[in-house]
Amino acid sequence: EIVLTQSPGTLSLSPGERASLSCRASQSVSSDFLTWYQQRPGQAPRLLIYGAARRATGIPDRFSGSGSGTDFALTISRLEPEDFAVYFCLHNGGSLWTFGQGTKVEI
Amino acid sequence: QVHLVESGGGVVQPGGSLRLSCAASGFTFSRFGMHWVRQAPDKGPEWLTFIENHGGVQYYADSVKGRFIVSRDNSKSTLYLQMYSLRPEDTAVYYCATWNRSGSSALYYYYIDVWGKGTTVTVSS
Repeated sequence: EIVLTQSPGTLSLSPGERASLSCRASQSVSSDFLTWYQQRPGQAPRLLIYGAARRATGIPDRFSGSGSGTDFALTISRLEPEDFAVYFCLHNGGSLWTFGQGTKVEI
Repeated sequence: QVHLVESGGGVVQPGGSLRLSCAASGFTFSRFGMHWVRQAPDKGPEWLTFIENHGGVQYYADSVKGRFIVSRDNSKSTLYLQMYSLRPEDTAVYYCATWNRSGSSALYYYYIDVWGKGTTVTVSS
């Protein structure tokens, strides 16, 4: 079973700064099956990135995903106030889906 | 616009049962696989189960295998999660979500896409 480890646990930044979030897999995975979500307090997760680097419909271009193999990243180029939230990565293993534990981006 | 509404949550004693529903609208429900995902308080999401569009294939996380059953009624555009032998650690918000794809026949990307707002299940004596 693949384990996804996200780091850091918490990222303290200011609006306008750049955020770099990491998602590391316990073994090499296809980037086609790596997804990122944003979750604001009291809300359900929202799809940001699929296929490791493809923005979902309506997602601003300040969000970008990258990576391959075991190391994946989500970058927010310039933080807006609404971007302060928790971010999760997810791997689709075909018959088993695994979430990372999340990174909180706080002011 | 895709819309998912979960219902059926509540407080149940350990060992009890509960059935959750997820009413779908705004898309052709029978064309999409569906997931259930839960999130315990202050924890990350935990994937539970997937059912393909016609219901013939289901997958389960080890944590719920043998206790939870996913099903769907495409004529009612509704997804279900029957939960048995509930434990305190099953306490969580339960979400249903769509399984979507993008791309072309050369390469499709599959992903958990739209989520409902969730229904809360509390297992406590």
